[in-house]
Amino acid sequence: EAQVTQNPRYLITVTGKKLTVTCSQNMNHEYMSWYRQDPGLGLRQIYYSMNVEVTDKGDVPEGYKVSRKEKRNFPLILESPSPNQTSLYFCASSSPARNQPQHFGDGTRLSIL
Amino acid sequence: SQQGEEDPQALSIQEGENATMNCSYKTSINNLQWYRQNSGRGLVHLILIRSNEREKHSGRLRVTLDTSKKSSSLLITASRAADTASYFCATDHTGGFKTIFGAGTRLFVKA
Repeated sequence: EAQVTQNPRYLITVTGKKLTVTCSQNMNHEYMSWYRQDPGLGLRQIYYSMNVEVTDKGDVPEGYKVSRKEKRNFPLILESPSPNQTSLYFCASSSPARNQPQHFGDGTRLSIL
Repeated sequence: SQQGEEDPQALSIQEGENATMNCSYKTSINNLQWYRQNSGRGLVHLILIRSNEREKHSGRLRVTLDTSKKSSSLLITASRAADTASYFCATDHTGGFKTIFGAGTRLFVKA
């Protein structure tokens, strides 16, 4: 089954404790992206990647890092999480050709205390 | 910065009625997409309309695009209680590879 898998689905942690949210897709997609969703703001793009070793900033990259060492994986790293990064996070992937829909994971709910 | 903006923010209708949601954007786009999100779940792609298309249909969904007004509308006909969800427009704008989502419209269909 074609899918985008995120882990963990839920995480409560404390300020400053490094964490990684993993994202994996099995559709051989080149394009992958991370979003955060906050009430009233819709989804905002954090980082995206056009292919292996190619990443670029979205609209809200501050406080986040990503890496794309393999085509199927695109982890999101919070080196020193802060409470304002409490949010619902989504990973998505798509074919890089223009005009292709994105496939989303089920989301990761992060709470930073 | 947010490009897509949906209106209304929330919509409540009776089952069987039509639901119309609108989306506006600010810069030139390659395409505009509509997604649906059930509460707290991932987004599901509904329909994509390219910048050179004016109207597109998929089942009970009808999407229009007016590039001169930088706006789009999503019409759901003969709505069902199961259509209750949030609906988002997203734009892929020219000259880049970012995707920009609007804040969404929350649709509630009463049985």
